[in-house]
Amino acid sequence: EPEVTQTPSHQVTQMGQEVILRCVPISNHLYFYWYRQILGQKVEFLVSFYNNEISEKSEIFDDQFSVERPDGSNFTLKIRSTKLEDSAMYFCASSESAGIGEAFFGQGTRLTVV
Amino acid sequence: DAKTTQPNSMESNEEEPVHLPCNHSTISGTDYIHWYRQLPSQGPEYVIHGLTSNVNNRMASLAIAEDRKSSTLILHRATLRDAAVYYCILRENNAGNMLTFGGGTRLMVKP
Repeated sequence: EPEVTQTPSHQVTQMGQEVILRCVPISNHLYFYWYRQILGQKVEFLVSFYNNEISEKSEIFDDQFSVERPDGSNFTLKIRSTKLEDSAMYFCASSESAGIGEAFFGQGTRLTVV
Repeated sequence: DAKTTQPNSMESNEEEPVHLPCNHSTISGTDYIHWYRQLPSQGPEYVIHGLTSNVNNRMASLAIAEDRKSSTLILHRATLRDAAVYYCILRENNAGNMLTFGGGTRLMVKP
C-alpha cells in the first residue's frame, strides 16, 4: 500500500539552528500538508500546499517556517531558527483531492530542540 | 470547522463491539463527518467519513443521527491493535483542506 514517508525519524538540534524536515508524499497526490503535535497535546495544522504554493496556513506558521517542493517527489518543511518550543512531532500528509478527500499521514519526525 | 465533543476516554474488552460517540450540534449542512485515529507513536490514520447516510468500510461503521447532530463510530470487534485516540472531525466540502483535531477519545482495549 502506498505510504507517506518522512525523514529523519528523530532530529536533535541546537536552539537557533536551521532544520529541514523531509517528506515523500504519495506519488499521485496533489495536496500536501504539515501538522505538528507537541508532546501530550493536540495535533495542530501548520500549512497546506497545492500547485506549488501555500493554500492555507495557521498562526503557528510564521516567518520562521517555510515549505518547498524542490523536485517532483519531496516536500520539505524548514524552520529557520529553531526555538525550544518548536520541539514536537511533525507530521507530513498528502491527499489526492481537496475538501473531503482522505489524508494520508507519515509516521512523523520527532524534533528535539536543545 | 464546527466543534465536536467526544468523551476523553473509553474502555472495551477485546473481541467486543465498541461504540464511540461524537456530538456536533452546530454542524452545518455542508459539513462531512470524518473519523481519524492515532495509534501510539504513529501519525493519524483515516478511518471513515460520511455526510448523511450510515457508512461501512473494512475498518469500521459510521452511524449518523437523522438530525446529524451526533454520530457514532462502531468497531465491530475490538482488537488490542485498535487501542488508539479516535478523532471525530467536521470538514466542509470544498473549503480549506486542513483537519482540525480536537482531544479525541482514548480507547483502551482490555484482553
